Amino acid sequence: DAGVTQSPTHLIKTRGQHVTLRCSPISGHKSVSWYQQVLGQGPQFIFQYYEKEERGRGNFPDRFSARQFPNYSSELNVNALLLGDSALYLCASSFWTGNDEKLFFGSGTQLSVL
Amino acid sequence: KNEVEQSPQNLTAQEGEFITINCSYSVGISALHWLQQHPGGGIVSLFMLSSGKKKHGRLIATINIQEKHSSLHITASHPRDSAVYICAVVSYLGRGADGLTFGKGTHLIIQP
Repeated sequence: DAGVTQSPTHLIKTRGQHVTLRCSPISGHKSVSWYQQVLGQGPQFIFQYYEKEERGRGNFPDRFSARQFPNYSSELNVNALLLGDSALYLCASSFWTGNDEKLFFGSGTQLSVL
Repeated sequence: KNEVEQSPQNLTAQEGEFITINCSYSVGISALHWLQQHPGGGIVSLFMLSSGKKKHGRLIATINIQEKHSSLHITASHPRDSAVYICAVVSYLGRGADGLTFGKGTHLIIQP
């Protein structure tokens, strides 16, 4: 089975541009969450989607938006890019088994804003 | 100060040793995850805890909600256990969201 896949793996943009990052969860997983990891720091929660609805949002500006499609894949959009948006963007899918949630992370999209 | 603190940051041990990685947090949580990342690999979850103790093979995770502390233990460690181990807590982040807050990870190397 394929794991969580993210595309593209690397991306270079300039300030002011917008970007769309994509995530395909593991088959059967209905929950997708997005994280930003700046070099040297732990990941920061951005969004969680479940069954195409936003279930949670972290402390990120409204320039960040996301959506989940009927096949449970997801897109993260960032408008008006800033230099500080340069980071590794991680997507995770999850499922519950009993009282245990299992998380699976993709390898991420490395975004560089110049 | 990070809301989730892990110790040690780096740990090198010999094969067969008993390993303990600690995680302390300063916020109220609903659950805690222990995650593993092998070099060049994605992050996978090992355990989710809301109370007590869980065991899977040679891995044991415990949590003390009152003391806001969790530990991950590895018995009979093996070189294939070499990885970064990350503690992440599920807590209220504002704006109606529960989300994960991560520690910086513990880099474990098990030497043969």
